[in-house]
Amino acid sequence: DAKTTQPPSMDCAEGRAANLPCNHSTISGNEYVYWYRQIHSQGPQYIIHGLKNNETNEMASLIITEDRKSSTLILPHATLRDTAVYYCIVRPLNNAGNMLTFGGGTRLMVKP
Amino acid sequence: NAGVMQNPRHLVRRRGQEARLRCSPMKGHSHVYWYRQLPEEGLKFMVYLQKENIIDESGMPKERFSAEFPKEGPSILRIQQVVRGDSAAYFCASSPSSPTGTLYGYTFGSGTRLTVV
Repeated sequence: DAKTTQPPSMDCAEGRAANLPCNHSTISGNEYVYWYRQIHSQGPQYIIHGLKNNETNEMASLIITEDRKSSTLILPHATLRDTAVYYCIVRPLNNAGNMLTFGGGTRLMVKP
Repeated sequence: NAGVMQNPRHLVRRRGQEARLRCSPMKGHSHVYWYRQLPEEGLKFMVYLQKENIIDESGMPKERFSAEFPKEGPSILRIQQVVRGDSAAYFCASSPSSPTGTLYGYTFGSGTRLTVV
């Protein structure tokens, strides 16, 4: 079972920041927070991950609360191509055998 | 560096036929994972394989489904005697073996969409 809770859907205006929340109140000390997205009819795409510090890459920023019980994925300037289902996943990093467990995700609709 | 390659992209089978789905992992990746996504649902883990070994098949249906990852060639997900409920998108992902290598998660293929008529 997924160990994260996300809102089922969100809207965002094109060009504005999209802030996608995720609750993971039972996260363990050795578990990372991962974000993936799935654009319609495509395979999931890795976005970003973090342990306890905030992270930023060319796609997004990840803000993790100090107690690590929740996080927010930020798309700073959403475009229509960012319309997708966004999945927040917690996973330990001790070996390759820890498969990803997908929950329902958040369906982000970017509107013009 | 080619990504994870899945073929065919679309597969139509009549009830009772066999479906064979292929997955070639990224170069240098020795771990393969299969996921299934039923229409309008999330992705569900099916099986995790390394070369010539099934490591975790806890998500595989008990009957009609099998998977292999031979020493040479792609990983194969085989569904025998398909039924309409098998219609879904089947995604393959791969990862390298080292913990550091898996830090960036898995790379997914574009999937095979199986339609059973």
